[in-house]
Amino acid sequence: EPEVTQTPSHQVTQMGQEVILRCVPISNHLYFYWYRQILGQKVEFLVSFYNNEISEKSEIFDDQFSVERPDGSNFTLKIRSTKLEDSAMYFCASSMDYAGPYEQYFGPGTRLTVT
Amino acid sequence: SQQGEEDPQALSIQEGENATMNCSYKTSINNLQWYRQNSGRGLVHLILIRSNEREKHSGRLRVTLDTSKKSSSLLITASRAADTASYFCATDPGGNNRLAFGKGNQVVVIP
Repeated sequence: EPEVTQTPSHQVTQMGQEVILRCVPISNHLYFYWYRQILGQKVEFLVSFYNNEISEKSEIFDDQFSVERPDGSNFTLKIRSTKLEDSAMYFCASSMDYAGPYEQYFGPGTRLTVT
Repeated sequence: SQQGEEDPQALSIQEGENATMNCSYKTSINNLQWYRQNSGRGLVHLILIRSNEREKHSGRLRVTLDTSKKSSSLLITASRAADTASYFCATDPGGNNRLAFGKGNQVVVIP
């Protein structure tokens, strides 16, 4: 069964450094998403992406964040200058369609630790 | 506002018993989804119920949706130890695939 994959599974970085989290969505899916989950808290929406541009973004997704689909398979989340509060599990998701069925399928996550 | 807010229960049940958890939300929705998360792992999609559906089954899962009460329930029948996980409901209040998750219900199934 096709699945969303994410690399790395765990990333440790120092405050102020740039990180890039990578995702490979399910191949025939058209919509891509990033969510994050701070330890012990809810899963929060960050951004959705379609047709090479951002569809929606939350208030969390400020200028420090960017997303890109550099080729036909990868979808990346970049944090330019990490802060301690960026420590979280970051989940990539994809869905086939926008109008439905629109189940979102999530990857296993990247645990980002900012020290 | 909090969308997809589950009843903040931690359930501990014996294998073979049924587990029921609830979710309430505040605004109109197009659909509601349930996900499972094993400890430290990703979210696994379980079932999606559309706003015009009242009940949906998938294997040992039964989901109900009451849009008049803005609530949903997830029933797991004949639970197994492998069902031990956190269960989240998620709504799509803006109809834009921007899922809003609840805090999750932790279920422990004792073998």
